[in-house]
Amino acid sequence: GENVEQHPSTLSVQEGDSAVIKCTYSDSASNYFPWYKQELGKRPQLIIDIRSNVGEKKDQRIAVTLNKTAKHFSLHITETQPEDSAVYFCAASKGTGGSYIPTFGRGTSLIVHP
Amino acid sequence: GAVVSQHPSRVICKSGTSVKIECRSLDFQATTMFWYRQFPKKSLMLMATSNEGSKATYEQGVEKDKFLINHASLTLSTLTVTSAHPEDSSFYICSARGGGNQPQHFGDGTRLSIL
Repeated sequence: GENVEQHPSTLSVQEGDSAVIKCTYSDSASNYFPWYKQELGKRPQLIIDIRSNVGEKKDQRIAVTLNKTAKHFSLHITETQPEDSAVYFCAASKGTGGSYIPTFGRGTSLIVHP
Repeated sequence: GAVVSQHPSRVICKSGTSVKIECRSLDFQATTMFWYRQFPKKSLMLMATSNEGSKATYEQGVEKDKFLINHASLTLSTLTVTSAHPEDSSFYICSARGGGNQPQHFGDGTRLSIL
């Protein structure tokens, strides 16, 4: 089955710096890659996603890049703010019809220091 | 945006009690719902996937007789933890998806504590 590796497990940055979280996946057939943000005690929330027919996607301070050849994708957060502090999960999924079962990474705890 | 409602948010009960958790998609039809278990500071562990009107597909190591899942309609799925024991204490989160390779939308989770 699919295996998603996520690094680093913890990332500490100063406010205003950029943060990068990387994920690799094992199944070359995976074609959908969402990123979720989970604040303490709250639900994971989708912040950005990318499909395999696109190499990069950006939404304000957040961007995701995908390298299908190398089977890795990354989340980039620029001009970090304290409210960006949370656990971020990447995921990869594939399939046809209703069989898209996502596999999650282990999460990255991002800490933004004011 | 898509909203998923999960109830209850917190349950504290005695060992041996069965607990039912509901997951509802409020503004879309969820052809697929997922149930996850999350331990402190850990990732989301998929327990089972359910499609409306059919039996749930459980992940390896998850006891189907222990964690009963019903997905009776396109907007409601329930997870029943039968005869719960302290080791079942955890954070359970559901998610729902409209169809195909679409984003999942998560519920707020249920903190289950078995005494």
